This record gives sequence, C-alpha cells and structure tokens, in this order.
Amino acid sequence: EILLTQSPATLSVSPGDRAILSCRASQTVSSSLAWYQRKPGQAPRLLVYGASTRATGIPARFSGSGSETEFTLTISSLQSEDFAVYYCQQYRNWPLTFGGGTKVEIK
Amino acid sequence: DVQLVESGGGLIQPGGSLRLSCAAAGFSVSNNFMNWVRQAPGKGLEWVSVIYSTGTTYYADSVKGLFTVSRDTSKNTLFLQMNSLRPEDTAVYYCARALSLYYHAMDVWGQGTTVTVSS
Repeated sequence: EILLTQSPATLSVSPGDRAILSCRASQTVSSSLAWYQRKPGQAPRLLVYGASTRATGIPARFSGSGSETEFTLTISSLQSEDFAVYYCQQYRNWPLTFGGGTKVEIK
Repeated sequence: DVQLVESGGGLIQPGGSLRLSCAAAGFSVSNNFMNWVRQAPGKGLEWVSVIYSTGTTYYADSVKGLFTVSRDTSKNTLFLQMNSLRPEDTAVYYCARALSLYYHAMDVWGQGTTVTVSS
C-alpha cells in the first residue's frame, strides 16, 4: 500500500497570501496524483488530477506540480472560500490511498 | 445535471448487514468507474471499493470478503452490500465517479450516507 504524507497538518494563512501544501508518497506514483478540497458538511471537490491538470471549473489560482514521490498544491492568492481541508490521493496502485489532509485556516 | 445520491445508512448492531444505494443522474453507472469511499469520525478519507465498467471489482483489505459492490443498470444505481459489520466500519460513506480508468481521480461525489455500527 502506498502511504501519502501531507504537510503541514495545519497551515495558517492570511487572505490574499499564497499557500503551499505538500504531499509525499512512500513510493513512486508517477503523475497519478489528485488533490481535493473538503469543506465541512460537503463532499470532496476534485481540484487537480494527473498531478498538474486542473479539473473542470477550478480557478487558475489552484495549481499542482510534482511527480514520482513529491507533490505540491499551490493556492496563489487565498480567497475566503478556500479555507478548507485539502487531501491528496494516489491512483498509481490499488488500493487507492489518501493523505491525512492539510487544514488551511485563517491566520 | 450530473449527480449521485446515496441512501441506506443507519444504526446497525455489530455483526449486522446493511446495503447502501447510490442513485446516479446525468450519466450511466455502468459506463463508468464507480467507487465507494468512507470517512470515519475524526479520520481521513479511506477508499473502500471500485467497480469497473467491465464489472471488475477491487476492495480495500479492510473490507475484502465482507463488502460487495454491485450495480443495477436498469435503475442506474450502485450498491454496497456490507456484511459482518464492525464498530470500525462506522463512517460516512460516499459513492464517487472516477474520471477514467487511467485518471482514477473522482470528479463526482454524492453527499454521503452515515453508517453507525454500535450496540
């Protein structure tokens, strides 16, 4: 099973600032990595797949990068609606696995 | 409009069985890669199972032999039959559609149904 480690666990950011979230895989997943946003009481929302391809309707301020074992989700200028928990997920191997999440909170 | 609606959750005693349903609208469950994902209280997301458009299924080790995923084409509905339930199966269960076999990221999710296993 591929383990995904996200850091930091909590990120305190001011609106308008940039947020950088990290996801590290225990073995290579190539580019088979997705990022999701999760708000309380809502289902996860797909942001990025293929490590760097934005999903339909996702604003350009969200960008993904990385490959193999190191990945980053960057939110260029945080808006109020971006404060949420973010998860990475690999689909290189079964079972699919998710990271533990990074909570982005208002500083 | 593309959407998924889960149902069937509830309170069940340990050792009991429950069948979750996930009704799809706007697309065919039979032509897509459909997943179940759960989130236990205070925990992260955990993938549970998938059924391919071909009918091939995979399961997480934690539920293998206990849970069975299936679908009804005529009802455009996905199911998760859960047997021998344990307290650790307590979670919100989501069904989700994957983009494709190659890009197995999930772009459509239901709102979730809560399963509580407790005596």
